[in-house]
Amino acid sequence: DAGVTQSPTHLIKTRGQHVTLRCSPISGHKSVSWYQQVLGQGPQFIFQYYEKEERGRGNFPDRFSARQFPNYSSELNVNALLLGDSALYLCASSSGRANEKLFFGSGTQLSVL
Amino acid sequence: SQQGEEDPQALSIQEGENATMNCSYKTSINNLQWYRQNSGRGLVHLILIRSNEREKHSGRLRVTLDTSKKSSSLLITASRAADTASYFCATPNYGGATNKLIFGTGTLLAVQP
Repeated sequence: DAGVTQSPTHLIKTRGQHVTLRCSPISGHKSVSWYQQVLGQGPQFIFQYYEKEERGRGNFPDRFSARQFPNYSSELNVNALLLGDSALYLCASSSGRANEKLFFGSGTQLSVL
Repeated sequence: SQQGEEDPQALSIQEGENATMNCSYKTSINNLQWYRQNSGRGLVHLILIRSNEREKHSGRLRVTLDTSKKSSSLLITASRAADTASYFCATPNYGGATNKLIFGTGTLLAVQP
């Protein structure tokens, strides 16, 4: 079975541009969460989507948005990129129940120049 | 905000030695999870310990949880060079988001062959 897949692996953008990151969860998982990991820090929660509905949002500006499709894949969009948005963006999938482990993809490394 | 804080920040040991990492957190929890990250890529779930458990084993891993002290430890026995990675503790901060984990800053473990 395929794990969580993310694309692209690496991305280089310039300030002010827009970026879309994609994630496909493990088959059968209905929940996708997005995390941002800045170098030297632990991952920080951005969003969770379950059954195409937003279930939670972290402390990120409105430039960050996401959506989940009927096949449970998800996109994370970031508008008006800032240098500080440079980070590893991780997608995690699960069944959506509480108190369970998350399965992470390998991430998208975003560099904003 | 970071709920979990790992100690030490970095640890270097020889193959065959044991490695112990500690984690402290701030609020009441339902469970505490440990994850491993190789070279800044995706996180891999290692073990989940529930709040009513004091100790849990998985292969060469041993996790303890002291809810009165709001702390946990991860012991890796008979370490191998392949254990070289960053290790993070994570605690849930659910609200409506069942996949919202708060990660610490991590312990970077280097196992010398």
